[in-house]
Amino acid sequence: DTEVTQTPKHLVMGMTNKKSLKCEQHMGHRAMYWYKQKAKKPPELMFVYSYEKLSINESVPSRFSPECPNSSLLNLHLHALQPEDSALYLCASSTRQVNEQFFGPGTRLTVL
Amino acid sequence: GQQVMQIPQYQHVQEGEDFTTYCNSSTTLSNIQWYKQRPGGHPVFLIQLVKSGEVKKQKRLTFQFEEAKKNSSLHITATQTTDVGTYFCAGQESYGNNRLAFGKGNQVVVIP
Repeated sequence: DTEVTQTPKHLVMGMTNKKSLKCEQHMGHRAMYWYKQKAKKPPELMFVYSYEKLSINESVPSRFSPECPNSSLLNLHLHALQPEDSALYLCASSTRQVNEQFFGPGTRLTVL
Repeated sequence: GQQVMQIPQYQHVQEGEDFTTYCNSSTTLSNIQWYKQRPGGHPVFLIQLVKSGEVKKQKRLTFQFEEAKKNSSLHITATQTTDVGTYFCAGQESYGNNRLAFGKGNQVVVIP
């Protein structure tokens, strides 16, 4: 299995909702990432997990809460989001933090 | 902090012609990676360059990492319609945080 999967593909939520994005990989990668990407912009790093521990938090607002339950799974819990949080949320993984990253197809999030 | 600049940001290329996209870092890099993102898709890893002066080829694509390990280029020959997309370079610094800093991307439109 050489891919990163993400669910759901699309998500529409209100500002008072709580939802979660899920990411899974079975390549044995020990680094996993969350990125946010706005249209026509580069991916913007949010969080990095290395060996299931949070190693980088790019000053992301607390309404985004990451979780790494095990080495294959990465979640992003969403609560009280704002319309400007609407974007494509990409998960990625790599063997280590210095190696090439494999991206999932993303979750397109719309906050109403 | 580390900055990675890409030029140009947009290119219209006639099918069959060659083009080059450039990536410049403000700091010395431990490695540079190139990704391609098709319209509506997710970034897909193309290559990683690690050594000073390294040149790598993938069919019609030639990647270079210059001696000082700050600049890189991607040259595509005989452009095809399948080359459409945005090409991102991403650099990792030599020391410290191992963050992958993405350039703003070069959006390529191929004219048949």
